[in-house]
Amino acid sequence: GDSVTQMEGPVTLSEEAFLTINCTYTATGYPSLFWYVQYPGEGLQLLLKATKADDKGSNKGFEATYRKETTSFHLEKGSVQVSDSAVYFCALSDLSVNAGKSTFGDGTTLTVKP
Amino acid sequence: DAGITQSPRHKVTETGTPVTLRCHQTENHRYMYWYRQDPGHGLRLIHYSYGVKDTDKGEVSDGYSVSRSKTEDFLLTLESATSSQTSVYFCAISESVTGSEAFFGQGTRLTVV
Repeated sequence: GDSVTQMEGPVTLSEEAFLTINCTYTATGYPSLFWYVQYPGEGLQLLLKATKADDKGSNKGFEATYRKETTSFHLEKGSVQVSDSAVYFCALSDLSVNAGKSTFGDGTTLTVKP
Repeated sequence: DAGITQSPRHKVTETGTPVTLRCHQTENHRYMYWYRQDPGHGLRLIHYSYGVKDTDKGEVSDGYSVSRSKTEDFLLTLESATSSQTSVYFCAISESVTGSEAFFGQGTRLTVV
């Protein structure tokens, strides 16, 4: 079945450092790929998405590119802020295969220190 | 923000008692999902619904049942709560459109003592 593997955490960075969180996937079809962010005490919210190969999703300075050849969707940000501290989840879904069910990675906790 | 509300937000219950969690949406989205979130396991799908009265099992469905009698409501029932069901439960909704993201509720923290 479908699966998502993301970089284990936790990750601790200083403010203005470069961030990469790795995500790779396996899927039988042609899924859409997502990054979600979860702040303490809240539900997940969409950070960015890409629906086909070579698409780049971007939002709030975060970027990720859908790489079909390496089955990857790595999250990057050039300069992190303290407010970026949160848990980040990589996910995929494929409406044509499994009713839009999302498969999530285990999450990566990011802490940014001033 | 997507209109999705979970109730209750917190609940403590005793082992062996039935518990029902409610998810209500105002978006008229077709798909609704129940996940549980546990440390080290990410989010795991319990059950999902693809329409009124149409539901199916997810990867961790044992001990749980669901019902969807109206588009806007999706109920999750723990038939006889156990300590292993202590978790944070999230409801999510999505449209029946390729590439549609999931919108999540705020979560319900359930403790079984």
